[in-house]
Amino acid sequence: AQSVTQLDSQVPVFEEAPVELRCNYSSSVSVYLFWYVQYPNQGLQLLLKYLSGSTLVKGINGFEAEFNKSQTSFHLRKPSVHISDTAEYFCAVSYTSGSRLTFGEGTQLTVNP
Amino acid sequence: GAGVSQTPSNKVTEKGKYVELRCDPISGHTALYWYRQSLGQGPEFLIYFQGTGAADDSGLPNDRFFAVRPEGSVSTLKIQRTERGDSAVYLCASSPRPEGYNEQFFGPGTRLTVL
Repeated sequence: AQSVTQLDSQVPVFEEAPVELRCNYSSSVSVYLFWYVQYPNQGLQLLLKYLSGSTLVKGINGFEAEFNKSQTSFHLRKPSVHISDTAEYFCAVSYTSGSRLTFGEGTQLTVNP
Repeated sequence: GAGVSQTPSNKVTEKGKYVELRCDPISGHTALYWYRQSLGQGPEFLIYFQGTGAADDSGLPNDRFFAVRPEGSVSTLKIQRTERGDSAVYLCASSPRPEGYNEQFFGPGTRLTVL
């Protein structure tokens, strides 16, 4: 069965500090990987996705993620966070084109001044 | 252009009642998905439509849940004999076409509260 594990339920950081949100998925032959962000009272917005090719993926708002097949990980990073990055972040995986997304339980990122 | 819309935004009902939740996908998107997000958890897949037909309904928790998409556009999620455990945010997403991988665009959700 597909599964996604987000290792930290809450990550508090200070403004302008770097941050890494960790994500591991159950192994499969090929996967599509995603990070979504959910601001309070809003829908899910795609930050970035890995479909194939380069393992370093750049997304919106200065975020990037690295696909590591041997460690079955897809950690999200940002070198310097802003107060406005405070939100819930979800890692998701899909094993075939057009099929369901399987989400992790989310990581609440709180950026403090 | 307009994104995915869902109505109502909030629905409060009593245990045992019937509810319908509506999703309007982005115009021209052939794929439509329903997910359920319980408090403090990630979204869980319910059902996926390609056109008018349900391509995968394996996520529906039981036979009280049913969804339709009769004209391949708007979809309605129907829940019979609601239970308190059905309280959650119900999310709808749509995607352009089945070929290749396409991003799923999410609506704002319907918050269902069963008293």
